[in-house]
Amino acid sequence: SQQGEEDPQALSIQEGENATMNCSYKTSINNLQWYRQNSGRGLVHLILIRSNEREKHSGRLRVTLDTSKKSSSLLITASRAADTASYFCATAPLGGYQKVTFGTGTKLQVIP
Amino acid sequence: DTGVSQNPRHKITKRGQNVTFRCDPISEHNRLYWYRQTLGQGPEFLTYFQNEAQLEKSRLLSDRFSAERPKGSFSTLEIQRTEQGDSAMYLCASSPDRGNQPQHFGDGTRLSIL
Repeated sequence: SQQGEEDPQALSIQEGENATMNCSYKTSINNLQWYRQNSGRGLVHLILIRSNEREKHSGRLRVTLDTSKKSSSLLITASRAADTASYFCATAPLGGYQKVTFGTGTKLQVIP
Repeated sequence: DTGVSQNPRHKITKRGQNVTFRCDPISEHNRLYWYRQTLGQGPEFLTYFQNEAQLEKSRLLSDRFSAERPKGSFSTLEIQRTEQGDSAMYLCASSPDRGNQPQHFGDGTRLSIL
């Protein structure tokens, strides 16, 4: 079963614009991770945020976490055509790091 | 660090046949995971190894599925008597043996059942 749900399911933007994706989850977590998947490829880890953190940055990526609302957002600034991919959030449960549960993903298209 | 390697990349087989996939994790990673991903969905957890010990199995892993990691290095996933519903991408990932570490994924094996 999928723990998280990403919103929107699909997003199409122009190159240079910002893209925001949201993730909601159901149970208490140890950490939340965001991954990118290009078509036909495996997942690439982008950023991990612990449950006691509220915001994290990595290059053009900004992730926020609100544990009271059980939600997270991923912001990609100044998007590029190469950012076109599916983005998934994944949650690691309290007391365990090994079994992460993935959401349904947001398909991002960046138009050059 | 050559990353997680999976073979074959694609497998086409007839219904009822057995198939086996191989995963070579990053060498220093003790944890190894198998996932299944169908079109338009996120990966679904199948099973997890800590070294050679299989510590958790999903209910998705029916009796026709078996996974091994005999020497704590590479792993194999076998599906016996394949069914149409087994068509999916099978992903392998590995991670170090400590908390709050991301998983590193291979490019998967895409299985098509005719």
